[in-house]
Amino acid sequence: DTGVSQNPRHKITKRGQNVTFRCDPISEHNRLYWYRQTLGQGPEFLTYFQNEAQLEKSRLLSDRFSAERPKGSFSTLEIQRTEQGDSAMYLCAYGDQPQHFGDGTRLSIL
Amino acid sequence: DQQVKQNSPSLSVQEGRISILNCDYTNSMFDYFLWYKKYPAEGPTFLISISSIKDKNEDGRFTVFLNKSAKHLSLHIVPSQPGDSAVYFCAALGGTASKLTFGTGTRLQVTL
Repeated sequence: DTGVSQNPRHKITKRGQNVTFRCDPISEHNRLYWYRQTLGQGPEFLTYFQNEAQLEKSRLLSDRFSAERPKGSFSTLEIQRTEQGDSAMYLCAYGDQPQHFGDGTRLSIL
Repeated sequence: DQQVKQNSPSLSVQEGRISILNCDYTNSMFDYFLWYKKYPAEGPTFLISISSIKDKNEDGRFTVFLNKSAKHLSLHIVPSQPGDSAVYFCAALGGTASKLTFGTGTRLQVTL
C-alpha cells in the first residue's frame, strides 16, 4: 500500500489525443507533487501543489500540460495533443520529508 | 545539467555481503538527502534519509553516510538479501525548493 492511488495504471493512446490522469492520496496532506520518469532516468519534477494552489511548475511542463487540485485532496494531470515524447511514467507523490509515491500511470503514445 | 549523479548503473553483490551504492551532487544548496528503492512496475519507495547536519543515519540493515565536503553520499546495505534486488535512486532537496532532484539510479542485483 503506497498511500497514493493513481489511475489509470496504463494508458495507450494515439498521437494528438488528450489524456487525463488522476492521483488520490489516501491520507490528507497539503503537499502533492507530479513527476515524470522516462527509461533509464530518475523521476523528474513537473509541478507541486500546496493545498489547492499550484506553487511551482517545471520548464518541462509545456503549455500542453495542465494540473489541478480543486479541493486540496485529489489531483489531475491533463496532457493535450499528446506527442511521442510524452511517453513516460507519470508519478504522483505526497508529503514533505519524505515524499511518498504512487505506482504511477504509464503513458504509451502510438 | 545533472545535479545528482549515480555513476554506477548496476551493481552485483552476493547474498550476505555488503552493498555500497554511491551518489554525488553538485548543488551546495542541497541539505536533505533521500534514498528510494524501486521495483519494476511500482513507484519509488522511501528507504532512508539524512539531513546535512548529520554525517550518518542508520535504520536496521541500511546506513547512509554523508560527506559534505566531498558532496558525496553512500548507502550501505548489510547483510544484502535477494529481496534487496531493485533500482536504487538517490534524491536531494534544498533551499526553498520542495521538489526532489533524483539521480539516474543504480540497479542492484543480490545473487545467491
